[in-house]
Amino acid sequence: QKEVEQNSGPLSVPEGAIASLNCTYSDRVSQSFFWYRQYSGKSPELIMSIYSNGDKEDGRFTAQLNKASQYVSLLIRDSQPSDSATYLCAVTTGGSYIPTFGRGTSLIVHP
Amino acid sequence: GAVVSQHPSWVICKSGTSVKIECRSLDFQATTMFWYRQFPKQSLMLMATSNEGSKATYEQGVEKDKFLINHASLTLSTLTVTSAHPEDSSFYICSARGLSEHEQYFGPGTRLTVT
Repeated sequence: QKEVEQNSGPLSVPEGAIASLNCTYSDRVSQSFFWYRQYSGKSPELIMSIYSNGDKEDGRFTAQLNKASQYVSLLIRDSQPSDSATYLCAVTTGGSYIPTFGRGTSLIVHP
Repeated sequence: GAVVSQHPSWVICKSGTSVKIECRSLDFQATTMFWYRQFPKQSLMLMATSNEGSKATYEQGVEKDKFLINHASLTLSTLTVTSAHPEDSSFYICSARGLSEHEQYFGPGTRLTVT
């Protein structure tokens, strides 16, 4: 059974700090990795995708993938109160491309 | 690009009635659409996956006769909740993926309340 694990949090960081969100997955043949942001009462919004080992940067967001250790992380630099949300990690394995979602990590950025 | 819409955004219905929710990909052709349900403060739960022109594949524990899914075109999928009951009250979210896409994009969701 494919599993995607995330610490539910909440992770609380001060404004301007770096928020680090982590995700581990069980299926070694996983190929595609995604981070979604979900504000309370809203649907998820895709913020990052990563497919190969290493770092991928997009603005204040950096996704890091380590397939050998089976983890993917999301760094948010210069965190803002507007970043406060639940961050969902999703992983797909080749073939069906049906993603498995983690339960999400709640991030709170306090002024 | 990659915009997915849902209609209605919220609906209140009486117990025993049926409700149809539409999911549209506005600027791309969605070969695969997914339907999720999310209860308050809980994680996303995949209900079913549908490919255009094919019958939907339902996840274990999801009643296919209660949650009717139709994916008749590359831009439209519908979910009909039949004979709704209060326990069906939830946030229903669709997502869509294009043929060459690895990423899926979510609609804004439909909040269903059954009284």
